[in-house]
Amino acid sequence: QSVLTQPPSVSGAPGQRVTISCTGSRSNIGAGYHVHWYQQLPGTAPRLLIYGSSNRPSGVPDRFSGSKSGTSASLAITGLQTEDEADYYCQSYDSSLSGFVFGTGTQVTVL
Amino acid sequence: QLVESGGGLVKAGGSLTLSCAASGFTFSDYRMNWVRQAPGKGLEWVASILISSTYTYYAQSLKGRFTISRDNSKNSLFLQMNSLRAEDTAVYYCARVPAHGDYYYSMDVWGKGTTVTVSS
Repeated sequence: QSVLTQPPSVSGAPGQRVTISCTGSRSNIGAGYHVHWYQQLPGTAPRLLIYGSSNRPSGVPDRFSGSKSGTSASLAITGLQTEDEADYYCQSYDSSLSGFVFGTGTQVTVL
Repeated sequence: QLVESGGGLVKAGGSLTLSCAASGFTFSDYRMNWVRQAPGKGLEWVASILISSTYTYYAQSLKGRFTISRDNSKNSLFLQMNSLRAEDTAVYYCARVPAHGDYYYSMDVWGKGTTVTVSS
């Protein structure tokens, strides 16, 4: 079972801003471990979208941004585009499990 | 680049070994993970192995049925899966794990995955 909680779905019109929350606990996000975000387009492997809570790998558009506070993190997409329709997952490390943990996943729909 | 292989159809109770071939980077410099995704479900971390294979870590749900290993001389990662169950049906991905700076414990390179189907 997933240790990090995300909303099942979010939606927005093209050009709008949407945010995805990721709620953890004191043994993962709250323990200071980095939060990373992945984008998974239909039928493809996940792709690292945000690392270290707020950094973008080269090639990721700057309309994607991340933040972290306490035991939670969030991903924002500004200027939503049709190609942003995908599933998004947060991920961290959990000290009590001695392992990696993923969020429950959020499906983004562009209306 | 990471390329998985070895997936297929297997009966419940059977075994299967997955492989992951790495290229384009120094394989022996990185921790490696296996991650799986059941049909229509989210991502689930399966197992992790450190650079020198000294330590391995597993998701608690696997209960000792899977074994992760690596051969740095062949730039290869493996996942031995025993006592397979229908709930192990998934796409299995290998992923590279940086351990530096803000990339720490992310998974920055993924393979395309290999599909394992366990029939009951």
